Amino acid sequence: GQQVMQIPQYQHVQEGEDFTTYCNSSTTLSNIQWYKQRPGGHPVFLIQLVKSGEVKKQKRLTFQFGEAKKNSSLHITATQTTDVGTYFCAGPGGNDYKLSFGAGTTVTVRA
Amino acid sequence: DAGVIQSPRHEVTEMGQEVTLRCKPISGHDYLFWYRQTMMRGLELLIYFNNNVPIDDSGMPEDRFSAKMPNASFSTLKIQPSEPRDSAVYFCASSPPGLAVSWGEQFFGPGTRLTVL
Repeated sequence: GQQVMQIPQYQHVQEGEDFTTYCNSSTTLSNIQWYKQRPGGHPVFLIQLVKSGEVKKQKRLTFQFGEAKKNSSLHITATQTTDVGTYFCAGPGGNDYKLSFGAGTTVTVRA
Repeated sequence: DAGVIQSPRHEVTEMGQEVTLRCKPISGHDYLFWYRQTMMRGLELLIYFNNNVPIDDSGMPEDRFSAKMPNASFSTLKIQPSEPRDSAVYFCASSPPGLAVSWGEQFFGPGTRLTVL
């Protein structure tokens, strides 16, 4: 089935700094979703990207879908302690409604 | 809306015992998913249903695992017999009907943390 790879696995960020996490696929994706899981919590949907080159913003979070629809990124500006958690990208898993989740990027923030 | 409801939230059992995890999806959602999350393997899809019918169970690890959805508001995941390597967090998620080319967002329940001793 479809595999999506995420890097980095861990991201240690100083509060106030920016960082980016990346999601890559070997094949073209029809769409990609991003989820956030707080420590001890469950994944929560953030956004879905469908169009080539699409850019969407949610406050300090900027999501981008690559022109070739094979990669995506999540950029967070001015990191806050509330950004702590694991961010997952998920792409179609090869058939109807099956999502394949990346391994996630776990973010910790130094105050 | 109460969201996806899972029970129990925590389960500790001994190897060889039967374990049943329960899920109530969000009303009106046609799709229901069971996932397993571990440090080693990440978030894995075990099985998913559409309109109460199992569509893809290729992620079910072995015959010890079974899942049912007798109606639109209830699903179970059963492990019999349980083994220590089944220890994980099991999530249930539901999703509303989506467009043909766009998968709908998935709403996850709080999960059941299973420990098999």
